Amino acid sequence: DTEVTQTPKHLVMGMTNKKSLKCEQHMGHRAMYWYKQKAKKPPELMFVYSYEKLSINESVPSRFSPECPNSSLLNLHLHALQPEDSALYLCASSHTGATNEQFFGPGTRLTVL
Amino acid sequence: QQQVKQSPQSLIVQKGGISIINCAYENTAFDYFPWYQQFPGKGPALLIAIRPDVSEKKEGRFTISFNKSAKQFSLHIMDSQPGDSATYFCAASWTGNQFYFGTGTSLTVIP
Repeated sequence: DTEVTQTPKHLVMGMTNKKSLKCEQHMGHRAMYWYKQKAKKPPELMFVYSYEKLSINESVPSRFSPECPNSSLLNLHLHALQPEDSALYLCASSHTGATNEQFFGPGTRLTVL
Repeated sequence: QQQVKQSPQSLIVQKGGISIINCAYENTAFDYFPWYQQFPGKGPALLIAIRPDVSEKKEGRFTISFNKSAKQFSLHIMDSQPGDSATYFCAASWTGNQFYFGTGTSLTVIP
């Protein structure tokens, strides 16, 4: 299984809502990532988890809160988002150690009204 | 600061032609150079990758050329097809798992 799955595929939320994005992989990868991608731009790294511990936080606003409940799951909790947070949110995973291929999920298309 | 510079921003190629996308980097610590292909509304998918101990890698119609001294690498798509129309991102990384992406190239292959 070389797949990273993400749910939901699409999400529309108001600025006062609380929602969560979910990511799952069963490739035995111990590094998992959240990226944000705006239209016609490259993915921007938000968070990196290594062995279920947060290892990189790219100065992301606190309205985004990541969680790694176990080695297969990665969540991104959203609260009080702004319209400019509308984007494609991508999850990826890879082996740790030496530089390795990152496998990306299909993304969640988020629209903040 | 853009760690990886990619050009051109957009490219139009006739079917059967060769598509060439170039990337340049500054950090000599980078040891992994992948190319990702992304279709609209989809996540990026790894196309081909190279490490700096080789100068060229070929997989089917896709070839990476790597010039360590010039700190440049490029993607060549031979016999380009309309189905290759997508956005291509180069990237660079070193041990530590953080990827630095280029700005992307939108490729259109005209039938």
